[in-house]
Amino acid sequence: GAVVSQHPSRVICKSGTSVKIECRSLDFQATTMFWYRQFPKQSLMLMATSNEGSKATYEQGVEKDKFLINHASLTLSTLTVTSAHPEDSSFYICSAAQGIGANVLTFGAGSRLTVL
Amino acid sequence: AQSVTQPDIHITVSEGASLELRCNYSYGATPYLFWYVQSPGQGLQLLLKYFSGDTLVQGIKGFEAEFKRSQSSFNLRKPSVHWSDAAEYFCAVEAQGGSEKLVFGKGTKLTVNP
Repeated sequence: GAVVSQHPSRVICKSGTSVKIECRSLDFQATTMFWYRQFPKQSLMLMATSNEGSKATYEQGVEKDKFLINHASLTLSTLTVTSAHPEDSSFYICSAAQGIGANVLTFGAGSRLTVL
Repeated sequence: AQSVTQPDIHITVSEGASLELRCNYSYGATPYLFWYVQSPGQGLQLLLKYFSGDTLVQGIKGFEAEFKRSQSSFNLRKPSVHWSDAAEYFCAVEAQGGSEKLVFGKGTKLTVNP
């Protein structure tokens, strides 16, 4: 079946540094990928929609300069948390669409970011 | 705006007992509804989905869910729970038809006692 890989699964960084998280579709091409953020004991909140070859679409309230998204190929999207602060600590999950409609979404295993 | 409510934050059942996890949604049109399961430190796995047709949907791992338009509900059920079912369960609705954007409920944590 379809597999989405996220890397790294866990990352710890110092405040003020930038961290890049990768989301790869391993056996299919994904023109659209999604980035979610999950706070402890909370739901997943959609941050942005990543479109291959074009700018990402951010949800209301998400700082596009803070969370840089690049979707340079049909199998890779990256989320860069710039100038990270402790409040950016969270679980970030990506999903990739094999086609049109959420029925073909595959989720990655998530990346736990801890900012000291 | 679309929203999903999972009234139960935490449910504990005994192994072998039946299970029902509640989900209510708010959506103007015919919703696309989903149930996902998340094990600790893992991503989300799709259990089942409802788009149209038969309102009783069968999923993986012995789960089923019933869409009830009159109650705006999409409750997840399993007749006999296994210890391996312990996880977090999320109900979700597609924000716009064909958009692939999902709105998730806050989740229900399931604990299974031996």
